[in-house]
Amino acid sequence: GQQLNQSPQSMFIQEGEDVSMNCTSSSIFNTWLWYKQDPGEGPVLLIALYKAGELTSNGRLTAQFGITRKDSFLNISASIPSDVGIYFCAGRGSSGSARQLTFGSGTQLTVLP
Amino acid sequence: ETGVTQTPRHLVMGMTNKKSLKCEQHLGHNAMYWYKQSAKKPLELMFVYNFKEQTENNSVPSRFSPECPNSSHLFLHLHTLQPEDSALYLCASSQDRRGTVSGETDTQYFGPGTRLTVL
Repeated sequence: GQQLNQSPQSMFIQEGEDVSMNCTSSSIFNTWLWYKQDPGEGPVLLIALYKAGELTSNGRLTAQFGITRKDSFLNISASIPSDVGIYFCAGRGSSGSARQLTFGSGTQLTVLP
Repeated sequence: ETGVTQTPRHLVMGMTNKKSLKCEQHLGHNAMYWYKQSAKKPLELMFVYNFKEQTENNSVPSRFSPECPNSSHLFLHLHTLQPEDSALYLCASSQDRRGTVSGETDTQYFGPGTRLTVL
């Protein structure tokens, strides 16, 4: 089956710093999604990517769909305390069961004042 | 407000109880999903319904029984659960585009989840 490797597992940063996290896949994906989950809540979609090489921003967040279609990264610039949470990548293949989303194990982000 | 609601938000049950989780989506989508989220593990897909038909069952034990009476509602019936079934159960919905290339309608929107504790 498809596997996603998300790194790092956790990050501790100072407020104001930039953050980068990434996901790599064992197979080609047609879609990459980035979600954020706050404690006790469901994941909320941050950015969706649909084309290889696509670079998309949402405020201070920027994500890219890798040109090989096997990786994606998420950058957060000028972090603030409310950025704290777990960030998940998710990808989707093109056929059969691969069309279901596969999720990374998440990156726990802590922003220190 | 995500457009996907789940009730109850918290549930504590004994191993002999029978309970149901409810999910409702207000987004006009035609596909709904149940996921299990355990600590330190990726989200695990349990069931998928497209156009009210179950299209995926990821080897889920029979003590979990899904029901999709219409495209807006999804239930997960629980009976004789085990303590290891304690987890956050998440519902999601999307607009399925059968036979087409992936696109914006791939995106799944999640509910807030039900935190289940089995004693």
